[in-house]
Amino acid sequence: NAGVMQNPRHLVRRRGQEARLRCSPMKGHSHVYWYRQLPEEGLKFMVYLQKENIIDESGMPKERFSAEFPKEGPSILRIQQVVRGDSAAYFCASSPRSSGVSTDTQYFGPGTRLTVL
Amino acid sequence: ELKVEQNPLFLSMQEGKNYTIYCNYSTTSDRLYWYRQDPGKSLESLFVLLSNGAVKQEGRLMASLDTKARLSTLHITAAVHDLSATYFCAVDLNNDMRFGAGTRLTVKP
Repeated sequence: NAGVMQNPRHLVRRRGQEARLRCSPMKGHSHVYWYRQLPEEGLKFMVYLQKENIIDESGMPKERFSAEFPKEGPSILRIQQVVRGDSAAYFCASSPRSSGVSTDTQYFGPGTRLTVL
Repeated sequence: ELKVEQNPLFLSMQEGKNYTIYCNYSTTSDRLYWYRQDPGKSLESLFVLLSNGAVKQEGRLMASLDTKARLSTLHITAAVHDLSATYFCAVDLNNDMRFGAGTRLTVKP
């Protein structure tokens, strides 16, 4: 069973360009979480999605950032008009979130390291 | 708002020594995680603690949870160089995870 996959692993963009980060959850997982890790800081929650639904986006910046998890295909974190402050590692995690089971730890992908020039 | 605080943030210790990393959180939760992160890599799940008094051990690492005190500890016994990494605790609150800032552990010969 392949783990959580993210691509690209490294992404370089110039200011004003768009960045698209992809996350394929583990097989059988229907819940995806995105986190951002700024240099020298801990992970910060951004958004929690189920298939075709955004459950909690309380950690998402109000502008330029969006996320989706379509019925088919990976989850996408999209950053429009990137700025230097967007440079960070973006981690995706997935969980099965089976109802009634509380041991549903999140499994993390390897992360995408975004560098904005 | 849920806040998660770890200390120390940096820890340098010699091989063979014991030490404890602390994780305090501000809001009641009964689900706490410890993760390890090696440089340039993603997080690796170490422990999931689900109830007050839970204690789990894996090798030289032992984690415990006191939900009344809102405190979890990660104890390192007889450290070895391979344990050098950054350790994060995380608290699950209503479907999202809040992480501590991480403890960067360096084990020296």
